[in-house]
Amino acid sequence: NAGVMQNPRHLVRRRGQEARLRCSPMKGHSHVYWYRQLPEEGLKFMVYLQKENIIDESGMPKERFSAEFPKEGPSILRIQQVVRGDSAAYFCASSRTGSGGYEQYFGPGTRLTVT
Amino acid sequence: KNEVEQSPQNLTAQEGEFITINCSYSVGISALHWLQQHPGGGIVSLFMLSSGKKKHGRLIATINIQEKHSSLHITASHPRDSAVYICAVEGGGSNYKLTFGKGTLLTVNP
Repeated sequence: NAGVMQNPRHLVRRRGQEARLRCSPMKGHSHVYWYRQLPEEGLKFMVYLQKENIIDESGMPKERFSAEFPKEGPSILRIQQVVRGDSAAYFCASSRTGSGGYEQYFGPGTRLTVT
Repeated sequence: KNEVEQSPQNLTAQEGEFITINCSYSVGISALHWLQQHPGGGIVSLFMLSSGKKKHGRLIATINIQEKHSSLHITASHPRDSAVYICAVEGGGSNYKLTFGKGTLLTVNP
């Protein structure tokens, strides 16, 4: 059973470009969470999705950031017009359900560098 | 003030020593997670607990719900245990997003 997969593992973008980060949850998992780890800071929640639904996006910046988890395919975190402050490690995690008592399994992360 | 506080921030130990990392939280939770992150690396879930105590190899995690406190212990520490250990709480209700502590950087010297 493959773990949570994220790609790319490293992504370099110039200011103003778009960044697309992909997350494939573990088999049988229908809940996906995105977290961001800024340099020298702790992890912060961004968004929680189920298939075709955004459940909680309270941690997402109001502009330029969006996320989706379509019926087929991976979850996508999209950052438009990237700025240097977007440079960070972005982790996704998946769980079988959203109910308490189920672990979240983390992917290896995508390290975004904005030049 | 962060909802999840960890101590110490940095910890240096000699190989073989018993390690304790503490985590306090200020909100009601449904579960608490201990995670491990190696420098530049991914995140591994070590424990999820909502009461009592769990043990896995040389790692032990305990939680006291009344006192809103959890500890992670490492027995017979080894240099390969060197990593950042992160405490995270799950708020419960219908949303199980995690709120994280800032982490404890553990260095175990041979």
